[in-house]
Amino acid sequence: KNQVEQSPQSLIILEGKNCTLQCNYTVSPFSNLRWYKQDTGRGPVSLTIMTFSENTKSNGRYTATLDADTKQSSLHITASQLSDSASYICVVSVGTGFQKLVFGTGTRLLVSP
Amino acid sequence: ETGVTQTPRHLVMGMTNKKSLKCEQHLGHNAMYWYKQSAKKPLELMFVYSLEERVENNSVPSRFSPECPNSSHLFLHLHTLQPEDSALYLCASSQDLKTGSYEQYFGPGTRLTVT
Repeated sequence: KNQVEQSPQSLIILEGKNCTLQCNYTVSPFSNLRWYKQDTGRGPVSLTIMTFSENTKSNGRYTATLDADTKQSSLHITASQLSDSASYICVVSVGTGFQKLVFGTGTRLLVSP
Repeated sequence: ETGVTQTPRHLVMGMTNKKSLKCEQHLGHNAMYWYKQSAKKPLELMFVYSLEERVENNSVPSRFSPECPNSSHLFLHLHTLQPEDSALYLCASSQDLKTGSYEQYFGPGTRLTVT
């Protein structure tokens, strides 16, 4: 069964601190892995997308890593800001041809002043 | 903004009502999607359209009826809903259906409450 699991479920950090969110997946066949940021009451917005051959990708203060052997990914946020408060969703694309996405339940991050 | 708009943003309806959700994409994409997002659950794919043809119906109850009159517009017609249908309904679009680096762009969603 294709599945994406994220941890922690929720996280509170102080403004300016770093944090790392985790994603484990069991999907086949793997195509790519994406991290989305979803602000409350809004749709998800893509942060990064990584294919099998990529093991790290950055987007500003966001850095995603991918270990295709252990089927794990992480999203590292550096020097957090209040605007980083959101849900972060790990999404794995499965198969060839039709782009089927398997979503994790997300990590809810709160950055406090 | 992502180039995908949804109306209304909020909707409260009774179980006997009929309403429609609208999605419009301004990106020139060929594929459009409806997702349901319930609290503490992963996004659930409901329907997929490619070039106005439905290519996936993910075992969605018939009280949800999609319509795609052209590649820029997608509707979700609702009738005789249940309280458990209350959720955030998200529309998305992508260049096409092929797996790869094609990104899905999401709209802001419609928060639906069924009373």
